[in-house]
Amino acid sequence: DAGVIQSPRHEVTEMGQEVTLRCKPISGHDYLFWYRQTMMRGLELLIYFNNNVPIDDSGMPEDRFSAKMPNASFSTLKIQPSEPRDSAVYFCASSLSGSSYNEQFFGPGTRLTVL
Amino acid sequence: AQSVAQPEDQVKVAEGNPLTVKCTYSVSGNPYLFWYVQYPNRGLQFLLKYITGDNLVKGSYGFEAEFNKSQTSFHLKKPSALVSDSALYFCAVRGALFGTDKLIFGTGTRLQVFP
Repeated sequence: DAGVIQSPRHEVTEMGQEVTLRCKPISGHDYLFWYRQTMMRGLELLIYFNNNVPIDDSGMPEDRFSAKMPNASFSTLKIQPSEPRDSAVYFCASSLSGSSYNEQFFGPGTRLTVL
Repeated sequence: AQSVAQPEDQVKVAEGNPLTVKCTYSVSGNPYLFWYVQYPNRGLQFLLKYITGDNLVKGSYGFEAEFNKSQTSFHLKKPSALVSDSALYFCAVRGALFGTDKLIFGTGTRLQVFP
């Protein structure tokens, strides 16, 4: 299995531009999570989906952020318009539900720099 | 409220010596506890988990963790540290009463193993 795939790995953009981050979860996993990691705030859960349905988006910082999961194999996190304070590493993770409370598998992350 | 605390930002240990990375938690009901490791420029990688049963859990790369219910702790240990163990370590908890698959992560502890 290829693991969780994220693209792009690095993104540099200017303030005000739209940014779209992409994630392909592990095949068969029914949970998908988006996290943001910064030095100041550590690892933050932004939103997560179960069977393509958003379950908890309480971590999404503001309306500039939106996430979609149109099918079981693809999700996007969009920032519009982007701001310098959005600079961070964004991780996608997936897991398989069940009574064993399986662990989350993380992608390699997208390093976003907003100038 | 559910929470996880990693009281040490950094732990330094000599190669070959035992290491301990501390974690305490606060949840309602029985906890499900996890340790993850993050190497530079990589996503988080699952190490081990405690769900139920034996309080001593063994995981990847020779790591183990001991669940202590009375002290609400889940410290990560390794009998003999390697330089290659140097990384950022995260403790995470999910409460049985959460009703969701959301993990609460600690702030991370940077482990430095010197030769």
